Amino acid sequence: EIVMTQSPATLSVSPGERATLSCRASQSVSSNLAWYQQKPGQAPRLLIYGASTRATGIPARFSGSGSGTEFTLTISSLQSEDFAVYYCQQYNNWPPGALTFGGGTKVEIK
Amino acid sequence: QLQLQESGPGLVKPSETLSLTCTVSGGSISSSSYYWGWIRQPPGKGLEWIGSIYYSGSTYYNPSLKSRVTISVDTSKNQFSLKLSSVTAADTAVYYCARHMTAVAELDYWGQGTLVTVSS
Repeated sequence: EIVMTQSPATLSVSPGERATLSCRASQSVSSNLAWYQQKPGQAPRLLIYGASTRATGIPARFSGSGSGTEFTLTISSLQSEDFAVYYCQQYNNWPPGALTFGGGTKVEIK
Repeated sequence: QLQLQESGPGLVKPSETLSLTCTVSGGSISSSSYYWGWIRQPPGKGLEWIGSIYYSGSTYYNPSLKSRVTISVDTSKNQFSLKLSSVTAADTAVYYCARHMTAVAELDYWGQGTLVTVSS
């Protein structure tokens, strides 16, 4: 199983500042990586797929980069609605490879 | 607009079988482009993929849960279902259904989720 590790666990950022979230895979997943945003009481929302492609309707302030084992989600200028938990997910070797998620990074107001 | 809705009991006794159904509206579950999956999230914790099914009935499961999981599909009702046997308190979670493509597996549409508590 491919293990996904996210850091930091919590990120304190002021509105308008830049946030950089990291995700590391235990082995190469190529560009088969997605990012999700989850707010309390809501289902996750797809932000990025293919490591760097924004999903439909996602603002340009969200960007993804990386390949292989190291990935980054950047939020260029945090808005109030961006304070949430963010998860990465790999889908390398699908199918039949299992889908696995990182443990999440909580972006909180500083 | 595609919508997914989970339904089923919110309380299950230990050692019994958890059963949930996901109803898909605004699109066909029989599309050749998509798999339909189950994901769960224990309270205050992260996300865990349980398994996915194709409209033909082809399934893939998380190896850690495979011995206890069965996912099935009913194309006539545009639904797919999850059964998880021999549940314990560790299976208490919000259960989500979601859609992903056949060749790549980013989850682009999700249900709102349903909390299932395992308790006597």
